[in-house]
Amino acid sequence: KAGVTQTPRYLIKTRGQQVTLSCSPISGHRSVSWYQQTPGQGLQFLFEYFSETQRNKGNFPGRFSGRQFSNSRSEMNVSTLELGDSALYLCASSFRLAGGGTDTQYFGPGTRLTVL
Amino acid sequence: TQLLEQSPQFLSIQEGENLTVYCNSSSVFSSLQWYRQEPGEGPVLLVTVVTGGEVKKLKRLTFQFGDARKDSSLHITAAQPGDTGLYLCAGAQIQGAQKLVFGQGTRLTINP
Repeated sequence: KAGVTQTPRYLIKTRGQQVTLSCSPISGHRSVSWYQQTPGQGLQFLFEYFSETQRNKGNFPGRFSGRQFSNSRSEMNVSTLELGDSALYLCASSFRLAGGGTDTQYFGPGTRLTVL
Repeated sequence: TQLLEQSPQFLSIQEGENLTVYCNSSSVFSSLQWYRQEPGEGPVLLVTVVTGGEVKKLKRLTFQFGDARKDSSLHITAAQPGDTGLYLCAGAQIQGAQKLVFGQGTRLTINP
């Protein structure tokens, strides 16, 4: 079974631009979560999508948004990029148990975003 | 505010030595997971512990979840150069399904 895939793997943008990152979960997984990883802050939760609905959200400004499609693929968008947005953006998918709770999350390789 | 405090942040030891990494919090977690991350890759799950006091062993790695489900430890016996990497603990908060809170990570280097 193929793992979580993320595209692109590397991206360079300038301040003020916007960017869209893509994540394809493991086949059969319906939950997709996004995380930002930086040397200073570590891994921080951005948001989670399940069945095309945002179910959880972290403490990030509204410039960070996402969506999920009917095939469970997810996109994350960052508008008006700032230098501090430079980070590794990780996507994780899970089967998500019907009763909620936390199932095992499988991470993709990430997208390395550099903002100049 | 970091909900999960992981220590040490950096650890460099010789092959064959033992080591322990700690993950502490004032919050209770429904489960705690340990990941290992290699450069340029995403974190790979090593283990999930869910019951207070639980101990799980994975070859030379021993994971323990505190009785109060607020802390955890990872012990590696007879470390090998292949154990080198970034080790991350992550807690699942009772109220937040699918939302993991990560520690800062422990960058482990095993010297041959």
